[in-house]
Amino acid sequence: NAGVTQTPKFQVLKTGQSMTLQCAQDMNHNSMYWYRQDPGMGLRLIYYSASEGTTDKGEVPNGYNVSRLNKREFSLRLESAAPSQTSVYFCASSEAGAVQPQHFGDGTRLSIL
Amino acid sequence: GEDVEQSLFLSVREGDSSVINCTYTDSSSTYLYWYKQEPGAGLQLLTYIFSNMDMKQDQRLTVLLNKKDKHLSLRIADTQTGDSAIYFCAESRTGGGNKLTFGTGTQLKVEL
Repeated sequence: NAGVTQTPKFQVLKTGQSMTLQCAQDMNHNSMYWYRQDPGMGLRLIYYSASEGTTDKGEVPNGYNVSRLNKREFSLRLESAAPSQTSVYFCASSEAGAVQPQHFGDGTRLSIL
Repeated sequence: GEDVEQSLFLSVREGDSSVINCTYTDSSSTYLYWYKQEPGAGLQLLTYIFSNMDMKQDQRLTVLLNKKDKHLSLRIADTQTGDSAIYFCAESRTGGGNKLTFGTGTQLKVEL
């Protein structure tokens, strides 16, 4: 079972470049999420999509855009990358509603020089 | 307040019990979770507890919740080297759907 698949696994960008991080899930989940993980700060929610066709800002949305392309796919775009966006990015998915566990991908390690 | 705090590091000997602590500030928390992150991987749900419960046990894992003090703990009995990982507590809130607020994570190192 693939679960949540993120591509690419690693990427190095120059400041000002743009990039789209891809995420796909095969569990027929309604909800999908993008987080960033930074040392000593845990995971912070960037954007989420409660269901196909909807997206909402999380805790740290500035500098990012998202697209819920269909029920399976939720992409995260950096239009003009900045060094402060160097991080590990995780995509997750879950059924709608509380207590539904979030299933995580293995992350994309992004460095911006 | 929306902070979820954890100590950064914990080191234990194999076979001992580990206790990882978490404090949170939002009294509207409905569910509290423990996730495990192994090196190079995403997070995996270990267990969760509803906010009106005091304790939940699942094999080697025991979760204790003190709602008055807003304190959550995860006890791992007979800790093994395979338990070495980062452990995150997280909370979800009334009306927040399934959005989670994560703690800073505790790195558990199990020594032989």
